[in-house]
Amino acid sequence: ETGVTQTPRHLVMGMTNKKSLKCEQHLGHNAMYWYKQSAKKPLELMFVYSLEERVENNSVPSRFSPECPNSSHLFLHLHTLQPEDSALYLCASSQVKGGGTEAFFGQGTRLTVV
Amino acid sequence: DQQVKQNSPSLSVQEGRISILNCDYTNSMFDYFLWYKKYPAEGPTFLISISSIKDKNEDGRFTVFLNKSAKHLSLHIVPSQPGDSAVYFCTTGTASKLTFGTGTRLQVTL
Repeated sequence: ETGVTQTPRHLVMGMTNKKSLKCEQHLGHNAMYWYKQSAKKPLELMFVYSLEERVENNSVPSRFSPECPNSSHLFLHLHTLQPEDSALYLCASSQVKGGGTEAFFGQGTRLTVV
Repeated sequence: DQQVKQNSPSLSVQEGRISILNCDYTNSMFDYFLWYKKYPAEGPTFLISISSIKDKNEDGRFTVFLNKSAKHLSLHIVPSQPGDSAVYFCTTGTASKLTFGTGTRLQVTL
């Protein structure tokens, strides 16, 4: 496998459920990201992990809990979500270096909260 | 407060013609800009980038222009092809964080 892989591709969950989204990158990158894309809104950065440490948390509610066990894997644990959390969740990775960076995205998990 | 703005939510261009997508940014400290292309139900894919030390970068049918004084960049696609129909995002930011615009939906018609 190459690139950034996200599982599952689609997820429907009730508001009382607990689920996890998984992301794996095979690019040797040292930074991983979670983004949220809601309808008619810009891509919103949720979390950034650089060298396995969380370096950014953009005021994301605590019902979203990220985990980065190593530089290749990233999880987003979900619990007691709300219907408005329904969105496309995208994982990305990049090689953090001086200057610019190009991020590679997974295909996303389409989450529906019922 | 959006730091990156794409004011045209959609654009329709005839096949073979030039597509021009525009992006404005607010922070003059941004020094690296990228364009991503996104098809429905897929993640964005990197298209082309430009560093602030340049004012133009070309890759095949895609050219990005940067006007630092106007804080404006544009993506030119020529000739446009039906497969170019997608949402295009302008992004910028530091080494560990990208800020995205809202995207412009390009429709290339036959």
